[in-house]
Amino acid sequence: GAVVSQHPSWVICKSGTSVKIECRSLDFQATTMFWYRQFPKQSLMLMATSNEGSKATYEQGVEKDKFLINHASLTLSTLTVTSAHPEDSSFYICSAPGQVIYEQYFGPGTRLTVT
Amino acid sequence: GENVEQHPSTLSVQEGDSAVIKCTYSDSASNYFPWYKQELGKRPQLIIDIRSNVGEKKDQRIAVTLNKTAKHFSLHITETQPEDSAVYFCASQGGGSNYKLTFGKGTLLTVNP
Repeated sequence: GAVVSQHPSWVICKSGTSVKIECRSLDFQATTMFWYRQFPKQSLMLMATSNEGSKATYEQGVEKDKFLINHASLTLSTLTVTSAHPEDSSFYICSAPGQVIYEQYFGPGTRLTVT
Repeated sequence: GENVEQHPSTLSVQEGDSAVIKCTYSDSASNYFPWYKQELGKRPQLIIDIRSNVGEKKDQRIAVTLNKTAKHFSLHITETQPEDSAVYFCASQGGGSNYKLTFGKGTLLTVNP
């Protein structure tokens, strides 16, 4: 099956710094990718839809200036958490629809800890 | 937007018993309903799914039923095993080429040996 990777798998950063998370589709092209955030013991909440070659679509309540998304190629989307604060500490997961309708493949997730 | 409600939030069963998790959705245009199993610190893993033109689907010990009229769907796990212990999420996907998934809040299933 299709594989989606994320890098890094975990990152610790200081408050006020920025962190970039990469999401790659390894063996298929993805014009759309999704970014989710998952706090401990909670569900996956969709943050934004990343569209190759165009602006991302953000869900209500998600600050687009804080969570910068770039989808510069058909296999790579990046999420940059700018001026990170401890409340941004979470598990960030990306996903991409596969070639077969309804399929969606999840990355392994990135654990962000802001100190 | 779509709203997915999931119950119960926790479920404890004895090994060998059945477990049932129920979800309701609000958007009648939703047409795809996957179920995911997530272990701590891992990505969600698709365990079974159902499309809106099907009422029931089974895969070994796991089955899903869908009632489009009532807008609810359920996950049934029979002959539970300790390795079934995890968090289970239901989700719904809207129509068209949207592909957006809306997740339920999850059910922590514990199977006691």
